Amino acid sequence: EIVMTQSPATLSASPGERVTVSCRASQSVGENLAWYQQKPGQPPRLLIYDASSRATGVPARFSGSGSGTEFALTINSLQSEDFAVYYCQVYKNWPPGITFGQGTRLDMK
Amino acid sequence: EVQLVQSGAEVKKPGESLKISCKAFEYSFTVYWIGWVRQMPGKGLEWMGLVYPGDSDTRYSPSFQGQVTISADKSTNTAYLQWSSLQASDTAVYYCARRAFDDTGPMYFFDSWGQGTLVSVSS
Repeated sequence: EIVMTQSPATLSASPGERVTVSCRASQSVGENLAWYQQKPGQPPRLLIYDASSRATGVPARFSGSGSGTEFALTINSLQSEDFAVYYCQVYKNWPPGITFGQGTRLDMK
Repeated sequence: EVQLVQSGAEVKKPGESLKISCKAFEYSFTVYWIGWVRQMPGKGLEWMGLVYPGDSDTRYSPSFQGQVTISADKSTNTAYLQWSSLQASDTAVYYCARRAFDDTGPMYFFDSWGQGTLVSVSS
């Protein structure tokens, strides 16, 4: 089983700031990592896939980077609607399995 | 527009059975895997399993194998998650989600999610 470790668990920032959320995999996953955003009472929303490709409709202030075991999600110029929980996710072919990171809560300072 | 519409909230007692649903709209249901994800109150996302509606092939997380049954009915474009005997620890929001697909086949992430079904289990 791949273990995903996100850091920090909680992040406080102000609108306009730039923040970075990290995700570490216990074994190499190449670039097969996705990021999701979840707001209270809503389902997760796909933001980034293949480590750095933005999903349809995702603003350019969201960017992803990394490969292998170290990944990052960066949000430039935070907007009020960006305060949410962010999850990374990977997949293992065999035995088949999907693993989410434990989440990073982005709070407004 | 791709949509996954889940059944409504449920309130059940321990030991009762339950089957919740996820109906797909505006895409070819039999081509895409559907996954189920649990979110316990105030907690993160946990993958439970996948079903391929084309042939009902299923894959389970080891944590949920034997605890739930995942199925799909391609005649109604609906996926299901069911329990034979609920426990209080099954209280959670359950999401269905469509596994993305491209020219090379199924991808590893979910590109569309249902709105979630809250299951509350209490005596």
